[in-house]
Amino acid sequence: DVKVTQSSRYLVKRTGEKVFLECVQDMDHENMFWYRQDPGLGLRLIYFSYDVKMKEKGDIPEGYSVSREKKERFSLILESASTNQTSMYLCASSPGWSYNEQFFGPGTRLTVL
Amino acid sequence: AQTVTQSQPEMSVQEAETVTLSCTYDTSENNYYLFWYKQPPSRQMILVIRQEAYKQQNATENRFSVNFQKAAKSFSLKISDSQLGDTAMYFCAFRTGANSKLTFGKGITLSVRP
Repeated sequence: DVKVTQSSRYLVKRTGEKVFLECVQDMDHENMFWYRQDPGLGLRLIYFSYDVKMKEKGDIPEGYSVSREKKERFSLILESASTNQTSMYLCASSPGWSYNEQFFGPGTRLTVL
Repeated sequence: AQTVTQSQPEMSVQEAETVTLSCTYDTSENNYYLFWYKQPPSRQMILVIRQEAYKQQNATENRFSVNFQKAAKSFSLKISDSQLGDTAMYFCAFRTGANSKLTFGKGITLSVRP
């Protein structure tokens, strides 16, 4: 069974703080993704990675950065958290260049005060 | 750019009845894949069903089936014999053959009434 885990289920941070969201997958998947989910907007892709140390911007990368130093781990970084980054963040992974599904983590609900 | 449209924000169905969730998409690609994902309340998103665009036969997974109309760019999900556990948010998603990125619709909240 593919497992994607995220470091926190709930997180509360203050405006201006640096925030790290961690995601780990245990199936040796090449691809990893970070989405944010907001009511009425669905899932929007922030960043994704096809391989270690590789990253590409998604649809809404502003205010975020990512790091992938190891194949199994993909981190999302909010350099200076703002209230409009309050959201549910979902991590996903999938095997290489195939049409296989993406496997999702449980999500991190981040509140920025 | 690809877009996915789910025009119904919410639906409700009586247990044991059949419900159809609609989804349309827009693309100029010929090789692509379509997915329906389910997100139960406070639980992880899981894949319900997928369809390859080059396959004419509609995909089926137990009580879940799709009506794939390629010319109309329509990909609806039919849930037969609805169960209380089907209560969830459902997302339609699309990807091309060229990469692994998914484009999601805004989702629909389905409630199954006892």
